[in-house]
Amino acid sequence: GQNIDQPTEMTATEGAIVQINCTYQTSGFNGLFWYQQHAGEAPTFLSYNVLDGLEEKGRFSSFLSRSKGYSYLLLKELQMKDSASYLCAVVKVTGGGNKLTFGTGTQLKVEL
Amino acid sequence: ETGVTQTPRHLVMGMTNKKSLKCEQHLGHNAMYWYKQSAKKPLELMFVYNFKEQTENNSVPSRFSPECPNSSHLFLHLHTLQPEDSALYLCASSQLGTGQGMGGGNQPQHFGDGTRLSIL
Repeated sequence: GQNIDQPTEMTATEGAIVQINCTYQTSGFNGLFWYQQHAGEAPTFLSYNVLDGLEEKGRFSSFLSRSKGYSYLLLKELQMKDSASYLCAVVKVTGGGNKLTFGTGTQLKVEL
Repeated sequence: ETGVTQTPRHLVMGMTNKKSLKCEQHLGHNAMYWYKQSAKKPLELMFVYNFKEQTENNSVPSRFSPECPNSSHLFLHLHTLQPEDSALYLCASSQLGTGQGMGGGNQPQHFGDGTRLSIL
């Protein structure tokens, strides 16, 4: 089975740093994605991790520990436009293609 | 992102109606997907098509019928839906993964803006 957990909501201050955690228990694992989704819009790709460690991409970084079934997304120098839902998703490659299993998403609110 | 286009953006229909959702991708991808997004629930994978062949049906009721005439177009035909089918329906596309073993899933899926479906 697939189980992915992330906090439902978080609030942070403009200019600060926030860490959004994701834990997973899945029957197969070929990597973990983070997506950003603004209200009424499409999810957009932020990062992909398959090896343990930190991947940095500008203000956003993503970390993975496969042995712990754990990932986090780190957002630095928060801006108001970062207010959105952040989706954690595990990918499993099967004979039929790449299957993504999503968490429920973390709604981040950035305040002044 | 305009690489994946979905129409219509909003759809209101009665339970006895028949309608279709359309998705088109301009990214040259070879896989397309339908997802359902309901409030407070995770995105749920419904169908997967690779090279226009259906490879996954995630226990979706038969009142949802997908069609993939080519690798750029994907449809979701709807008939006799239920109120609980009201949701945001998202289409996505991707290249099939590259690399060996663990890295085979490294190609991100690109999503359209979705169709907001309301069943009366």
